[in-house]
Amino acid sequence: QKEVEQNSGPLSVPEGAIASLNCTYSDRGSQSFFWYRQYSGKSPELIMSIYSNGDKEDGRFTAQLNKASQYVSLLIRDSQPSDSATYLCAVMRSQGNLIFGKGTKLSVKP
Amino acid sequence: DADVTQTPRNRITKTGKRIMLECSQTKGHDRMYWYRQDPGLGLRLIYYSFDVKDINKGEISDGYSVSRQAQAKFSLSLESAIPNQTALYFCATSDTGQGAGDEQFFGPGTRLTVL
Repeated sequence: QKEVEQNSGPLSVPEGAIASLNCTYSDRGSQSFFWYRQYSGKSPELIMSIYSNGDKEDGRFTAQLNKASQYVSLLIRDSQPSDSATYLCAVMRSQGNLIFGKGTKLSVKP
Repeated sequence: DADVTQTPRNRITKTGKRIMLECSQTKGHDRMYWYRQDPGLGLRLIYYSFDVKDINKGEISDGYSVSRQAQAKFSLSLESAIPNQTALYFCATSDTGQGAGDEQFFGPGTRLTVL
């Protein structure tokens, strides 16, 4: 099993819809989880971090964490064409470095 | 001004050449990282450093070396570049790594092409 797995997509949603991005991880000891957004040819940009089970909301973004199921997700409400990007899930290892999933490409259609 | 800068932003070189990529940060973070990104393979960690005297290998360190010259500077070297080192290289920084301080912030990247 890969350490961090994401559906590569592409995930296509209409403008104004909710986009749901999912990620599973293998290390039960992981405590810190992150979502990055990356536009083509640009650097990853941190959009959400989550450390406790449950939901964390920031504007149109909601991160959800379920440590028992080793599952973390990102919901984007009222999706906009500018949200079209690749979304990277990252999990902190016990050694203190991040392991990244390969990313899910999101396309928001006007 | 950008908090994490990388130089050069683009580089084309030939097989066998020595190349150095430089990273500087003004965020005051102790921890610095080098990643490479390849299509379909995602971001992979090359080396990381938790302070000036600390250097650690990542998952793909073969063919690379690093130098942490100061808290703010972390350089990546390819001693003898080969074509499969063609990739997008990112530097990142983070704070203490404890709880809420362990988010990583990325530089703009260096696109390296080895012919």
